Amino acid sequence: AQSVTQLDSQVPVFEEAPVELRCNYSSSVSVYLFWYVQYPNQGLQLLLKYLSGSTLVESINGFEAEFNKSQTSFHLRKPSVHISDTAEYFCAVRSTSGSRLTFGEGTQLTVNP
Amino acid sequence: GAGVSQTPSNKVTEKGKYVELRCDPISGHTALYWYRQSLGQGPEFLIYFQGTGAADDSGLPNDRFFAVRPEGSVSTLKIQRTERGDSAVYLCASSRDRDRGDTGELFFGEGSRLTVL
Repeated sequence: AQSVTQLDSQVPVFEEAPVELRCNYSSSVSVYLFWYVQYPNQGLQLLLKYLSGSTLVESINGFEAEFNKSQTSFHLRKPSVHISDTAEYFCAVRSTSGSRLTFGEGTQLTVNP
Repeated sequence: GAGVSQTPSNKVTEKGKYVELRCDPISGHTALYWYRQSLGQGPEFLIYFQGTGAADDSGLPNDRFFAVRPEGSVSTLKIQRTERGDSAVYLCASSRDRDRGDTGELFFGEGSRLTVL
């Protein structure tokens, strides 16, 4: 079985500041890793994913995450946030041979002007 | 439609009543998932269908919960004798079959918010 820990439930930042949302996972088998975002009054959307290959993955809106196997982490970063990045962010893990996606409890990112 | 569709978007019921929540996945997606999201928590896995059959129903909390997908497309989540603790947002997601190019992405609907009074 897999589990995910998101270390911060709330992260308030000012616009144009850098941000890091932390995610650690636990698994005895190889995994795929995901970040999903939920904007207010919308459904969950995939932000980025690590399946294989380069451990640094990027989204189209400037977020990036790095898979660190030794530290079992998949932290999400953005060098300069916008008001529109305000949302709840969920880290998720799935074994490479399974289908069930296990989510963390989420981090509410609030970007203030 | 282009995305996963869930109905109703909101459902208010009284304790003890029966409810059905419907999910219409993306056309051609053979895998379908139900999750439950309580306030302040991440989505919690309930059940996974591959085609018509439930491949993994280990997340269903008790025998009051049941889900079907008779024709391998639309799915219905059924909750009997509802309790106040069942209040949550019920999310449905679909994905392509692993053997047909599954990239690991689940596409989620906007959810059905269930409130049990």
